[in-house]
Amino acid sequence: NAGVTQTPKFRVLKTGQSMTLLCAQDMNHEYMYWYRQDPGMGLRLIHYSVGEGTTAKGEVPDGYNVSRLKKQNFLLGLESAAPSQTSVYFCASSYSSASVGRGADTQYFGPGTRLTVL
Amino acid sequence: RKEVEQDPGPFNVPEGATVAFNCTYSNSASQSFFWYRQDCRKEPKLLMSVYSSGNEDGRFTAQLNRASQYISLLIRDSKLSDSATYLCVVNSFQKLVFGTGTRLLVSP
Repeated sequence: NAGVTQTPKFRVLKTGQSMTLLCAQDMNHEYMYWYRQDPGMGLRLIHYSVGEGTTAKGEVPDGYNVSRLKKQNFLLGLESAAPSQTSVYFCASSYSSASVGRGADTQYFGPGTRLTVL
Repeated sequence: RKEVEQDPGPFNVPEGATVAFNCTYSNSASQSFFWYRQDCRKEPKLLMSVYSSGNEDGRFTAQLNRASQYISLLIRDSKLSDSATYLCVVNSFQKLVFGTGTRLLVSP
């Protein structure tokens, strides 16, 4: 099992450019998440998905869009990148979002994408 | 007030020392709790879940105090390889909320 993978690992964009980050998981998890991590801020939830074809906004959704066309993939798009979106982006997945059983809501993370917007 | 609060540290300890971290959370209805470990420039990885009865995994012990709404992590016999940032995580309204982390530096 590869677990959770993310592509690309690094990217540099100019202000106004667009890009898509890809997340894939092979654990058959229903739930997938996109976070950004900035110094001193901790992990902040951007968008999440509770299943194929569904998405929802997290804490900091502005400037991002997502799609979940297949259960195993969760895409994060930046339509017009801004310097404020310079960050490390992590994707995660879990079996459930609720503590319905021990470990059900444990999240497993991908290795991250380091994005710099100039 | 942040939903999950941690002392950012760093905690500087010598090898072999015992070190403890605490974390407080604000949502009294939270049902599940975790400690994640994050190495520099890497993804967070689950260290251990925290159960009401407390739990131990080798040198690591986690405790939950629901009345005071805090979680603790105790590391015994610290190793150089324990140097990392430890994230306190709480399930709040069916979303995991991450603390900003406590940095641990173990020196020879």
